[in-house]
Amino acid sequence: DVKVTQSSRYLVKRTGEKVFLECVQDMDHENMFWYRQDPGLGLRLIYFSYDVKMKEKGDIPEGYSVSREKKERFSLILESASTNQTSMYLCASSLPQGTPMGYTFGSGTRLTVV
Amino acid sequence: GESVGLHLPTLSVQEGDNSIINCAYSNSASDYFIWYKQESGKGPQFIIDIRSNMDKRQGQRVTVLLNKTVKHLSLQIAATQPGDSAVYFCAENNGSEWNKLVFGAGTILRVKS
Repeated sequence: DVKVTQSSRYLVKRTGEKVFLECVQDMDHENMFWYRQDPGLGLRLIYFSYDVKMKEKGDIPEGYSVSREKKERFSLILESASTNQTSMYLCASSLPQGTPMGYTFGSGTRLTVV
Repeated sequence: GESVGLHLPTLSVQEGDNSIINCAYSNSASDYFIWYKQESGKGPQFIIDIRSNMDKRQGQRVTVLLNKTVKHLSLQIAATQPGDSAVYFCAENNGSEWNKLVFGAGTILRVKS
């Protein structure tokens, strides 16, 4: 069964901490994405990557950075966590353009910043 | 339909009835659309997709209808079951940015037994 695995289901962090959210996919997908999900706002794209060591800003990149050192792993970094970053974070992967699209999502990490 | 603000629209249906979930999309250049289902505590799962050169596509118990004139997408679920209870999202690609999906806010489907 193909998978996107997010390392933590629940995290509680303090304001100002540096937070790492890890995502690993086993489908050899080129594309990987980080979204945050908030009630009534749907999924909003934070960052994405089309290749190793490549990253692009999504719609709400402020306060976040990412790292993609290996094809299967895409990390989201909160440089200095703030309470407004309390949210559900979803990682997804997909095949590149020209192939059947659609994302495979992980189960999400619910982050609470106190 | 899709919502703005903090509260998702909710559709309540009786088990066995048909469900119709609606979505208005914004970008006339979008040419690929997907419906996702998200159950509590899980990530969204692919249900069905449709390209803009089609106006209808059927899967198992699900049908997606696309009306490009009014930029409207709907998901029909036949003989709704308790296991269909979830949040349903539509997503569109961004036209020129083919690999990036833009998601709607979602609709809650509640199935009453």
